[in-house]
This record gives sequence, C-alpha cells and structure tokens, in this order.
Amino acid sequence: QITLKESGPMVVKPTQTLTLTCTFSGFSLSTSGVAVGWIRQPPGKALEWLALIYWDDDKYYSPSLESRLTITSDTSKNQVVLTMTNMDPVDTATYYCARRIGSAFDYWGQGTLVPVSS
Amino acid sequence: QSALTQPASVSGSPGQSITISCTGTSSDVGAYNFVSWYQQHPGKAPKLMIYDVSHRPSGVSNRFSGSRSGNTASLTISGLQAEDEADYYCSSYRSSTTRVVFGGGTTLTVL
Repeated sequence: QITLKESGPMVVKPTQTLTLTCTFSGFSLSTSGVAVGWIRQPPGKALEWLALIYWDDDKYYSPSLESRLTITSDTSKNQVVLTMTNMDPVDTATYYCARRIGSAFDYWGQGTLVPVSS
Repeated sequence: QSALTQPASVSGSPGQSITISCTGTSSDVGAYNFVSWYQQHPGKAPKLMIYDVSHRPSGVSNRFSGSRSGNTASLTISGLQAEDEADYYCSSYRSSTTRVVFGGGTTLTVL
C-alpha cells in the first residue's frame, strides 16, 4: 500500500522559511523512474506545481518560485523535504506531496494547510 | 494566470455526458502525450483519473475517457453520476525544465 503524508508547522510568519516533510511508504525513491513532487493550492484556487525530485537526485522547480525553493530527499528515511524561503501571506495554501511515475502524480498525500500570518 | 486554460464550470444531468477542455500550446499539450487529469472533491486530495492523454489507472471507471486534438485535451465523463460532482484539473509536461503545468480547474455540477 502506497501512502504519503505531509508534515510541517501550524503557522508561518512572514519572511520566515517554511520547511515541509513528506514521509512516504510502499515505494522507494531509489527505484528507477520514480519521483516525488510538491504541489500547493491556495484556498479556493487552482493547483500549482512547485518542485520535483527524481530517483537519480535530479531536481526541478517551478520557474516562478525557483529562487525560493529547495527540494531534498533522504532515501533511508523515505522522506522528501521542501524548503521555501521568505514566506508571504500569498503563500498561504494547502501543500501536497505526491508520487510521480512517468508524467502523472498517481498517489497524493492528504495535504497540510500552511497559513502565513504574523 | 494558469498555464493551461479550462472552463471555470460545466454542468450536466445524471446519465448525460459532458466534456471538459484543456487548452495549452504547441509547447506542452500539443507537443507531448503527457496530459493527465485529476478529480478533486471538496476538502480532499486530487485523484488521478487519466494519464498520458487517454489511459485510465486501475480502478478508475471506464465512464472517464481522455483525448487530444492539436493543443487541446479533453476529459469526457459519460453516464454522469452525482458522485462525479467535483473539481477537475488537467496537467501537462512542458519542457525539460518546467516539468509540470496545471490548468485553472473546472467545477463540474451534476444537476
């Protein structure tokens, strides 16, 4: 059974750095072709792709947010970590992690709501 | 502004068929067989419904089908059911650097 779960802070203050952890089970990020990505969704708005990390440690970022994002993985812990610097209230969103096989995200976590507020 | 264009809303009656369009460009939807569709019920995570333009994952009803013509991909739902009421998002591969783009989402209402 494949599961993913996001964890992170209950709230983030403006200008702070957000650190989110995706803990997964049922697959290995060491397997060829596997990737884990982060996607966010502001309240009432559309999905927005943020970052991807592949089994071979290749990393890709949304061009509009690349300067603020870092994605890393710890295959021994089955975890992927996303950091986003200089948080702003407009970054308030539900953040999802998801497994990517080929060109699609086939398994998603439940998401974690991250409010940005002073 | 979303990278892929979807209608904000569509509606249909139970038993009918509806189609949701997803318009991109010759650099994404029109260039690769890498279009996927996701269903999202309120307060829930998205669920993969179609991948690689027209393939259904195991467990997804055959009432859902995907296609593409030029730079526009489409999701068709036949035999509409109340449980199909949800938001639907398309996604496409764009380039070796911009790996993923999403549409703005379409709200499906079953009348």
